[in-house]
Amino acid sequence: DVKVTQSSRYLVKRTGEKVFLECVQDMDHENMFWYRQDPGLGLRLIYFSYDVKMKEKGDIPEGYSVSREKKERFSLILESASTNQTSMYLCASNLQGRNYGYTFGSGTRLTVV
Amino acid sequence: GENVEQHPSTLSVQEGDSAVIKCTYSDSASNYFPWYKQELGKRPQLIIDIRSNVGEKKDQRIAVTLNKTAKHFSLHITETQPEDSAVYFCAGTGNTPLVFGKGTRLSVIA
Repeated sequence: DVKVTQSSRYLVKRTGEKVFLECVQDMDHENMFWYRQDPGLGLRLIYFSYDVKMKEKGDIPEGYSVSREKKERFSLILESASTNQTSMYLCASNLQGRNYGYTFGSGTRLTVV
Repeated sequence: GENVEQHPSTLSVQEGDSAVIKCTYSDSASNYFPWYKQELGKRPQLIIDIRSNVGEKKDQRIAVTLNKTAKHFSLHITETQPEDSAVYFCAGTGNTPLVFGKGTRLSVIA
């Protein structure tokens, strides 16, 4: 069974802090994604990666960066957390063929105060 | 880029009735359309998907239909049960990351 694990279920951070959200998958998937989920807005793509060391901006990359040093790990970084980044963050992965359904992590609910 | 619109945003049905959720997409190159179910406090889970070379796909009480000409696809749930209550997301893609609709909150009333 494919597992996508996000290191924290809930996080509370202060405005201006640097925040790291970690995601690890155990099925050798090439592709990994970060989405944020907000009520009424659905899932919006922040960044994605199709290979180690590779990253591409999604629809809402401002205020975020990512790191993919190993195939199984994709980290989302909030350089200087702001209150408008309070959200549910979902990591997902899938196979290289791309047109396959994602497997999602359980999500990290981040609150910035 | 792709844009996926989903309707309705909320849907209430009586147990045993059918539920239909509709999505439209903008990019004629899109060829893969999955549906996800997200129960309260849980991760989205893939429940069914369809590719552009197929017009309909069924899995027990769930079916998805695709009209490529009109660029819309729909999720049909028959004989609804309370455990079908959740938020459902449609999505579409050609050769890029999935673009999701905004979701439909389905409530099945016993």
